[in-house]
Amino acid sequence: NAGVMQNPRHLVRRRGQEARLRCSPMKGHSHVYWYRQLPEEGLKFMVYLQKENIIDESGMPKERFSAEFPKEGPSILRIQQVVRGDSAAYFCASSQGQHRDTIYFGEGSWLTVV
Amino acid sequence: GDSVTQMEGPVTLSEEAFLTINCTYTATGYPSLFWYVQYPGEGLQLLLKATKADDKGSNKGFEATYRKETTSFHLEKGSVQVSDSAVYFCALSEGNSGYSTLTFGKGTMLLVSP
Repeated sequence: NAGVMQNPRHLVRRRGQEARLRCSPMKGHSHVYWYRQLPEEGLKFMVYLQKENIIDESGMPKERFSAEFPKEGPSILRIQQVVRGDSAAYFCASSQGQHRDTIYFGEGSWLTVV
Repeated sequence: GDSVTQMEGPVTLSEEAFLTINCTYTATGYPSLFWYVQYPGEGLQLLLKATKADDKGSNKGFEATYRKETTSFHLEKGSVQVSDSAVYFCALSEGNSGYSTLTFGKGTMLLVSP
């Protein structure tokens, strides 16, 4: 039973390029969450999605960041025109249901902007 | 808003020593409480959880008791091993909006020496 799968594990982008991070939730899970971990900080919630719907994006930066979870395929976190401050670990998580369901994390995608 | 406060690290112990990592929280309702562990270069793994007051979560020799009166969820282990060296995150999930997102503490690094 595969866990939450993220790719790429490591991504290097030059300033101004686009970064796309992919996440496949655990089998049977239809709720996806993205968190960001900046250096020496805890994880911060970014966005919560269900299939084809963004439910809560209160933690997403207002510009350059977007997320989707299409009917078919993985969830995508997209960062346009990356800057050095976007360098972080981005974790995807999934759960089966909503309230009080345990949330399981992927191994993360480490983005480095040079 | 919700928040989680953990003791600052690093916590440095010798093998077989007793471990306590303090965690306190503020929440408006009745959250579920979690401890996650992050080994170097890896994602977060759920270590244990408790969903209501006085519940004790336990796993791999680690324990934490949900104390509503002190709003605490301290992590303990009677005898640590070198392999326990990692960063430990306390988190809560409240789900007042009908879904659950996690609020994390900043993490506590544990270093265990032989």
